Amino acid sequence: QVQLLESGGGVVQPGGSLRLSCAASGFSFNSYFMHWVRQAPGKGLEWVAVISYDGTKKYYADSVKGRFTISRDSSKSTLDLQMNSLRVEDTAVYYCAKPAATRVDYYYMDVWGKGTTVTV
Amino acid sequence: DIQMTQSPSTLSASVGDRVTITCRASQSIGSWFAWYQQKQGKAPKLLIYKASTLQSGVPSRFSGSGSETEFTLTISSLQPDDFATYYCQQYSSHYTFGQGTKLEIK
Repeated sequence: QVQLLESGGGVVQPGGSLRLSCAASGFSFNSYFMHWVRQAPGKGLEWVAVISYDGTKKYYADSVKGRFTISRDSSKSTLDLQMNSLRVEDTAVYYCAKPAATRVDYYYMDVWGKGTTVTV
Repeated sequence: DIQMTQSPSTLSASVGDRVTITCRASQSIGSWFAWYQQKQGKAPKLLIYKASTLQSGVPSRFSGSGSETEFTLTISSLQPDDFATYYCQQYSSHYTFGQGTKLEIK
């Protein structure tokens, strides 16, 4: 069964840092780009970042560029998001999501984790 | 960046109604387009991809159409489980979601 499980959320002061993690199971993690998507309270979905299956390509939303870093550990099948210089507007539920096709950059997301909450 | 504009923001309907939600892209995205359903406190769920392809396990009362810049999601006969928020997404150039349409019980 394909599963994504986020962790690491919490309460942090503005300017602080937090590291989120997403544990993947049930699929060939090393073959997929992986995403972070967030949702501020009462708001819509906002794509945050994506990393290629081999970790060589990373893209970020303008709102987090230079502050957040996406990474992955293929040996552990985990996806991380290092968040620095946090702002009040970064308060959100953060989801990791898997695209539906392997080794493809732009694709729809067919599996989502349950999310982890970050409060700044 | 490609902007996605959904309408309406809120839709009130009754069980059994046929409803349509529209999403417009600020530039042509071909059929690189998806619809998601999200219930309160839950993760989004993929409904439709490539503009009109139903995800496995999604009831056939859901359908999608459109291409380039205009897309629609239609629910042919609303069921109680369908009251939720719906989001469109383009994945032609990076990723953008619409602002969401909340489907409420009338």
